[in-house]
This record gives sequence, C-alpha cells and structure tokens, in this order.
Amino acid sequence: EIVLTQSPGTLSLSPGERVTLSCRASQSVRSSNLAWYQQKPGQAPRLLIYGASSRATGIPDRFSGSGSGTDFTLTISRLEPEDFAVYYCQQYGSSWTFGQGTKVEIK
Amino acid sequence: QVQLVESGGGVVQPGRSLRLSCAASGFTFSVYAMHWVRQAPGKGLEWVAVISYDGMNKYFPDSVKGRFTISRDNPKNTLYLQMNSLRAEDTAVYYCARDSGNYGFFEYWGQGALVTVSS
Repeated sequence: EIVLTQSPGTLSLSPGERVTLSCRASQSVRSSNLAWYQQKPGQAPRLLIYGASSRATGIPDRFSGSGSGTDFTLTISRLEPEDFAVYYCQQYGSSWTFGQGTKVEIK
Repeated sequence: QVQLVESGGGVVQPGRSLRLSCAASGFTFSVYAMHWVRQAPGKGLEWVAVISYDGMNKYFPDSVKGRFTISRDNPKNTLYLQMNSLRAEDTAVYYCARDSGNYGFFEYWGQGALVTVSS
C-alpha cells in the first residue's frame, strides 16, 4: 500500500498569503495519478486537482498542483476567505489511499 | 448536474448489519465505476470499496474485506454498500463518489450518510 504523508499538519495564515502544501508518497505514484481535494466542515470533499497538475472544472486558477514520483505540492497563490479548509492528497495509481490532511486555518 | 444522494445511515449495534444506498442522477450511471469512502468523526478519508461500471469487478481494502459488499443496479441508477459484522471502528460518515472513468480519481461526491455503531 502506498502511504501518503502530508505536511504540515496545520497552517495558520492570513488572507492574501501564498500557501504551499506538501504530499510525500512512500513509493513512486504511477503516471502522476495524484489528486487533491478540499473539505470544509460539514461538507463532502471537493476535487481540486487531478493528474498532479490539472485543475478540475470550475476551480480557480489560484490553485495549482505540481510534482511527480514521490513528491507533490499544492499551491494556493493568494488565500481567499473561502479557502480556509482541510486539504487531502490522494493517489489512485495503485488502489486508492489518502494523506492524513493539512488544515489551513485563519491566523 | 451530477447528484449523488446517500441514504440508509443510522445507529446499529455491534455485530449487526446495515445497507447504504446512493441514488445517482445527472449522468450515465452505467458507464462509470463507483466508490464508497468513509470518514470517522474528526478523522481523515478512507477508501472503502469500488465497483466497476458493469458490476463485475469489486475491490476492498483489508479493513473491510469479507465484511462489506458493494453492488449496483444500473437500471435504477443506484449504488449499494452492504455492511455486515459491524464494529465500533466502522462508525463514520460514508460517502459515495463517482469515478472519473475507470478506476481513477473521485470526481463527484454525495453529501454523506452517518453510520454509528454502538450498543
């Protein structure tokens, strides 16, 4: 099983700041089959990024993904108030596993 | 628009069974693989089951293998999760999710159904 480790666990930031979230895999993720999801309290997760760097339909371009192999990054160029949430990475190249999540909270 | 609506959640005693349903609309249900994902209170996401578009192939993680079964009724546009021998650690919100195609990422999610296993 591919284990995904996200860091940091929590980020305290202000609106307008740039955010970089990390997701590291225990072994190489086949064909960059890596997705990112956003989850707000009481809501279902929402797909942000797939294929490591492709934005899902309707996702603002302030969200971007990068990486390959075992190291992946989600960047939010400028935090908006609605971006404070928990973010999960997921690999779908070998079964399906999720990282433990990174919480982005208001400072 | 794509809609996934789970139902069937509730409180159940340890060792008992429960079946969840997921009604799908807004897309051609019969051409997509479908998944169940759960989230224990205050915890992260855990993939629970997948079924191929035609129902012929099913896969589970070790945590539920042998206890949970996934099925689908394509004419009724409905996905099911049969959960047997339930344990306290199965307490979670259960989401159904539409695959991006054939065993890819999770493109759409339902709102979830809460299952509480408690005596």
